[in-house]
Amino acid sequence: TQLLEQSPQFLSIQEGENLTVYCNSSSVFSSLQWYRQEPGEGPVLLVTVVTGGEVKKLKRLTFQFGDARKDSSLHITAAQPGDTGLYLCAAGGGSNYKLTFGKGTLLTVNP
Amino acid sequence: DAGITQSPRYKITETGRQVTLMCHQTWSHSYMFWYRQDLGHGLRLIYYSAAADITDKGEVPDGYVVSRSKTENFPLTLESATRSQTSVYFCASSDFGLPLNEQFFGPGTRLTVL
Repeated sequence: TQLLEQSPQFLSIQEGENLTVYCNSSSVFSSLQWYRQEPGEGPVLLVTVVTGGEVKKLKRLTFQFGDARKDSSLHITAAQPGDTGLYLCAAGGGSNYKLTFGKGTLLTVNP
Repeated sequence: DAGITQSPRYKITETGRQVTLMCHQTWSHSYMFWYRQDLGHGLRLIYYSAAADITDKGEVPDGYVVSRSKTENFPLTLESATRSQTSVYFCASSDFGLPLNEQFFGPGTRLTVL
């Protein structure tokens, strides 16, 4: 089982600030996913990264996969209150379609 | 309703009672999963199913039972609820045609065991 460590665990910032959250493991990932979970709802997939060094952008969100495929980061530019939520990374890739999740980063963006 | 639904959304029960949480998906996805989410532990896999009548244990299966007689339904039963099973439970689904294990989650059931 791959252990995924996310940091920071909690992050509270003001609207307009930039932030980066991290997902790390001692294992090599075949792929990694980022999900966002809003209060009272289930997680929703944001992006999947596959190739070492890959960078994907989703509006103000930039996702990077480490060259060695052991770590990933999520950078948010000019955060907005609507970005508030729990950000989870998950890794899998086996034939049984199981995922292992990190514990998440709880982001609060204050207006 | 299209998508993946869970019922009930909220449930309060007492120690020792049997409780069944329902999960229904309309996509005919082959894979279905049950997770529990607790502060400090994140999402942990309880059971999963690759198809009707095929189920397997996840990380924390003790005290839970699942069945899957139909592709679209995946109920989770707590045979004798304990306080440690107080949690938020999420059902998810995935399928062969989806890229790289993408999972779709239901809205969750908040279970309190008194």
